[in-house]
Amino acid sequence: AQSVTQLDSQVPVFEEAPVELRCNYSSSVSVYLFWYVQYPNQGLQLLLKYLSGSTLVKGINGFEAEFNKSQTSFHLRKPSVHISDTAEYFCAVKNSGSNYQLIWGAGTKLIIKP
Amino acid sequence: NAGVTQTPKFQVLKTGQSMTLQCAQDMNHEYMSWYRQDPGMGLRLIHYSVGAGITDQGEVPNGYNVSRSTTEDFPLRLLSAAPSQTSVYFCASSYGGQNTGELFFGEGSRLTVL
Repeated sequence: AQSVTQLDSQVPVFEEAPVELRCNYSSSVSVYLFWYVQYPNQGLQLLLKYLSGSTLVKGINGFEAEFNKSQTSFHLRKPSVHISDTAEYFCAVKNSGSNYQLIWGAGTKLIIKP
Repeated sequence: NAGVTQTPKFQVLKTGQSMTLQCAQDMNHEYMSWYRQDPGMGLRLIHYSVGAGITDQGEVPNGYNVSRSTTEDFPLRLLSAAPSQTSVYFCASSYGGQNTGELFFGEGSRLTVL
């Protein structure tokens, strides 16, 4: 069965420093990969997605992620974080052959220190 | 565009009471779903629907009922609330068919069961 692991439940980082949020998945088939962001007291919104093609995908707010098939990873990065990036970030995977179901990671809280 | 609208945003119930969480979307999405979000557990799928008249169980369906009489609406019913159902509930929708899995979320409904 597919699973998604976000190794870090919380990541504290100073403002303007770079950050990487890690996501690993297990799947024996072709997948689509997603990062969603949840700002405090809000619903989730799509940050970026990998469907096919270039393994480096760029999303909103300066975030990017790299799909590494051999390591089954899809880590999220930003070169310089801002206080407004304080949020919880969720990685999700979908079997490209299935119609609907996403498998979710447990989430990583990004804490920006001034 | 309204997107996905959930009501109510907050609700307090006593054990054994019943209630319905409402969800409506105006994007003509075939797929609609209900998730619950609990600290450290990410998102867990309760029920989902792939079109009007079609519903199915997700990961944690016990204690919840759903129906889909129209494309737009997907209410979630708690027949006899229990403290274990204290959570934040999210409704999400997406395009049908071999879609890419991108979900559009409502802002959430925070339920407390005493």
